[in-house]
Amino acid sequence: ILNVEQSPQSLHVQEGDSTNFTCSFPSSNFYALHWYRWETAKSPEALFVMTLNGDEKKKGRISATLNTKEGYSYLYIKGSQPEDSATYLCAFIHGSGYALNFGKGTSLLVTP
Amino acid sequence: DAGITQSPRYKITETGRQVTLMCHQTWSHSYMFWYRQDLGHGLRLIYYSAAADITDKGEVPDGYVVSRSKTENFPLTLESATRSQTSVYFCASTGTEINIQYFGAGTRLSVL
Repeated sequence: ILNVEQSPQSLHVQEGDSTNFTCSFPSSNFYALHWYRWETAKSPEALFVMTLNGDEKKKGRISATLNTKEGYSYLYIKGSQPEDSATYLCAFIHGSGYALNFGKGTSLLVTP
Repeated sequence: DAGITQSPRYKITETGRQVTLMCHQTWSHSYMFWYRQDLGHGLRLIYYSAAADITDKGEVPDGYVVSRSKTENFPLTLESATRSQTSVYFCASTGTEINIQYFGAGTRLSVL
């Protein structure tokens, strides 16, 4: 079992605020990191796949960075909107396999 | 319809009964996965498969059996259901080791 930690566990922001979450993972034998967005009563949907140290990915107002040497990734949301409310999951693939090891997620609530 | 489908969506069963959850994907993805979602634990991997007739245990395999006789199907069987197996079960698939996983809509299972 590979430990993937996400912080904070939950976050409540006002519409228009920018926010960020952290995902920490084992830095040895890194293969890939995924970010997923999971809305209540729906299935997780992929946001990013990141493989290289220093990777930066962007999708609209959401972006992510990756530091494989120190074992962390940040997810940023600029100008949060109520529709951004969801749980954001990160998942790590270790070099010896192809199974995703998920963190417990950060639950984001954006209120108008 | 193309995609990944799970059936049934909801299931109530009794302790000791055998239950099979179905997962079918139309993309011919090599890799398929079963997760369970529980409060406080996030998504935990039960079993996964790299190809037909190849399966591996995940983090929480006890009490579950899988098979993969055809690439497109990956059924999960609870041989003798227990209350602790009450959960939401998600199936996922992907075409390559590091690529994003596509999730089914989930099966909500209650064991009474």
